[in-house]
Amino acid sequence: QSALTQPRSVSGSPGQSVTISCTGTSSDVGGYNYVSWYQHHPGTAPKLMIYDVGKRPSGVPDRFFGSKSGNTASLTMSGLQAEDEADYYCCSYAGSYTWVFGGGTKVTVL
Amino acid sequence: QVQLVQSGAEVKKPGASVKVSCKVSGYTLTELSSHWVRQAPGKGLEWMGSFNAEDGETVYAQKFLGRLTVTADTSTDTAHMELSSLRSEDTAVYYCALAAGGTRWFSPWGQGALVTVSS
Repeated sequence: QSALTQPRSVSGSPGQSVTISCTGTSSDVGGYNYVSWYQHHPGTAPKLMIYDVGKRPSGVPDRFFGSKSGNTASLTMSGLQAEDEADYYCCSYAGSYTWVFGGGTKVTVL
Repeated sequence: QVQLVQSGAEVKKPGASVKVSCKVSGYTLTELSSHWVRQAPGKGLEWMGSFNAEDGETVYAQKFLGRLTVTADTSTDTAHMELSSLRSEDTAVYYCALAAGGTRWFSPWGQGALVTVSS
């Protein structure tokens, strides 16, 4: 099972918006509304930011927005803040109780 | 608040096996599935497999079939991951993560356990 495709890096200035794409296939991203996104600061536990494509867990700011179109999911972060600088991973359910992650995107706040 | 605490770092020789544990507090493992995800140096996250404590079912990613065993001890609320026939490419940080019944996302995660495979 191939990893989902994410850009290696994106960057933006404080206050700007950035969008991370996550491209899979009809067997994963396109086949289920079960895309989740994780924020990962190296050396710490990954943190759930978005689940079921566009739902936010309690405590996650509404600056984080998830969406999906076809085989591509997206995470948009608006009003970028210094604390948002981290690695972000998408993850999709791939059927038969298996999952696949993206390669990760490094978000840099300029 | 649910918390996961993993066992410590390990150094293993090629061909050996490693077992990583993940202690759950603040919830009972009987209503959850425990998942294992790894991150090799400079690489992304990789889902390895899971154990569903509700029905005892295990599911493994294709590439780990035959080498990976995931279990859970519901009496101690501890999940375990054992990887055998280790090779250098298995050097990674291994994370446990939980999924509540019927959900398709992982939260919370453990702090990770570094496994180094080196001769």
